[in-house]
Amino acid sequence: EAQVTQNPRYLITVTGKKLTVTCSQNMNHEYMSWYRQDPGLGLRQIYYSMNVEVTDKGDVPEGYKVSRKEKRNFPLILESPSPNQTSLYFCASSWLPSQEDTQYFGPGTRLTVL
Amino acid sequence: AQTVTQSQPEMSVQEAETVTLSCTYDTSESDYYLFWYKQPPSRQMILVIRQEAYKQQNATENRFSVNFQKAAKSFSLKISDSQLGDAAMYFCAYRSWNGNKLVFGAGTILRVKS
Repeated sequence: EAQVTQNPRYLITVTGKKLTVTCSQNMNHEYMSWYRQDPGLGLRQIYYSMNVEVTDKGDVPEGYKVSRKEKRNFPLILESPSPNQTSLYFCASSWLPSQEDTQYFGPGTRLTVL
Repeated sequence: AQTVTQSQPEMSVQEAETVTLSCTYDTSESDYYLFWYKQPPSRQMILVIRQEAYKQQNATENRFSVNFQKAAKSFSLKISDSQLGDAAMYFCAYRSWNGNKLVFGAGTILRVKS
């Protein structure tokens, strides 16, 4: 089954404690990205990757890091989380070029930073 | 930069009735995609319908149809014969023709009354 998986699904942590949210896809997609969802703001892109070792900032990259060492994985790293990073996070993947215009979303990760 | 505006934070509809969700967008591009995503309480992002800007014909998917007005930069979603399972948050989204990034509106909560 084609899917994007994220772990963990729920996480409560404290300010400053480094954490990683994993994302994996089994569709051999080149493009992967991270979004955060906040009330009244919709989803906003944090970082994206066009292929292995190729990453770039989205609209709200501050406080986040990513890496793309393998095509299937695209972890999101918060090295020193702060309460304003409390949010719902989605990983998504798709083909390049974008003629196949469906993005596949993961199930979401609810992060709370105390 | 492109922006997407959903001016209705919440909407209600009686079961079996029809409801229309509004979406406007701003872009200087001539080719692009527009989407409506549904997010039920499970938080999963589900693609409802998509529209290619170069197509004049409005997209339809069963009970879901759009009214795409390119000149007015308007993209509304009509849900006919509303069902309890349609209750969800609905997001309007924009994507450039040759890009992968989705730009989302703030979302509209749809409540369905029995």
